Parts: sequence; C-alpha cells; structure tokens
Amino acid sequence: AQSVTQLGSHVSVSEGALVLLRCNYSSSVPPYLFWYVQYPNQGLQLLLKYTTGATLVKGINGFEAEFKKSETSFHLTKPSAHMSDAAEYFCAVSGLLNTGNQFYFGTGTSLTVIP
Amino acid sequence: GAVVSQHPSWVICKSGTSVKIECRSLDFQATTMFWYRQFPKQSLMLMATSNEGSKATYEQGVEKDKFLINHASLTLSTLTVTSAHPEDSSFYICSARTTATGELFFGEGSRLTVL
Repeated sequence: AQSVTQLGSHVSVSEGALVLLRCNYSSSVPPYLFWYVQYPNQGLQLLLKYTTGATLVKGINGFEAEFKKSETSFHLTKPSAHMSDAAEYFCAVSGLLNTGNQFYFGTGTSLTVIP
Repeated sequence: GAVVSQHPSWVICKSGTSVKIECRSLDFQATTMFWYRQFPKQSLMLMATSNEGSKATYEQGVEKDKFLINHASLTLSTLTVTSAHPEDSSFYICSARTTATGELFFGEGSRLTVL
C-alpha cells in the first residue's frame, strides 16, 4: 500500500525566495514519486518524477526534488520563486509503472508568491 | 509530453439532465484511464479506473449507475453523469496512462455546474 503526506496545505514565500514544499511517502514497494502542478481550473501538469537512478531529479520551471529513502521524503524545491509559480502542487506515489497500479496523491499544497 | 484532451472544459446543465465528458489521448494509446473528482481547494478523488474493452472499476462510495464510464477504444474514455443534480457540480479530471512508460498524463479538466 502507498500513501503520501504533504505537510503544509498553504505555503507563502516572497518573490525570489527559496521554495520548499514537503512530501513524505509510505510504500511497501520501491516507490515511483511525482510532483504535479495545477493552475486554477486546469488539469495537472507533471513537474518532475523519480523512478530509478539519480536521487536528485530536475524538472521544468527550475524545480527539483530529492528522493531520500532513509527519510521517506521527496521534497520539492526551487531556489528563487517567481510570481508565475503560484499554484497548487501535488505529490504522488505509485508502485511499478504498469497499468494496474494507481497513483496516490497528497492533499496538495497551495503556493502563494508575495511580490 | 503526451497530450490528453478533455471536452467540454465547461458545462452548465439543468438538474435531471445527463452530461457526457470525453477524455482523449491524442498522441498515444492508453489501455487505462482514470477519472477523478476534485472539490474546491481539495485533492483529487479517484472515482474509477477505466480499462479499454472492459467494465470500469469504481472506487468505494462512487455510484456506478450515476457515473457511467465507457472506454471503447485505446484513445477515448467517456464519463456520463446521469440525472445530474446540483451536488454533482464539481471539477472532473481524467488521466491516461501510457502503455509504453506507465506515466500518467492529465486532461485539462471539465467543470460541471448543475443548476
């Protein structure tokens, strides 16, 4: 079984400041981890994913995340926030990427960027 | 990345009518598609898993007679909200899983308002 916990339903940062969105997972099998971004009234867009290999993964829009097995975490970071980063962010975990496995989503973190 | 298209993006209907939402994978084949419901400021709630050529698997608490799902081809799944009521008003999102990589791609979402 898999689950995801996103600490902090709302995060506010100043423009240019570091963005840190937290995600912890639980998985009985090697996890595949994802971060998605959702803008108002839109679907989800994949930011980045970890499947195997390098534990620091880089995604679009300057975001990156590090898979830390010992901490069961996959926190999302960006060195310098931009106004356009304001959105809802979802962390997700899956088992093997075959058609039978579901994605389990966290409850989401709303990011506000203060000018 | 792969493209998943949902139609319509917005729909307003009268109580008691039925509404069909289409989800198409435009440039890949998807044997599995998922339908989610999202309430304001909340995460995605998985409603059902749709497999091409077979009956959908509904999550606990989701009325299969209320939310009819058809996955007639490898590129199209439809969700029909039958005899819609105001409480069915929500944002519905589909996703499609690529058979090649197992990645999940999301549609843009469909906002249903039932008057």
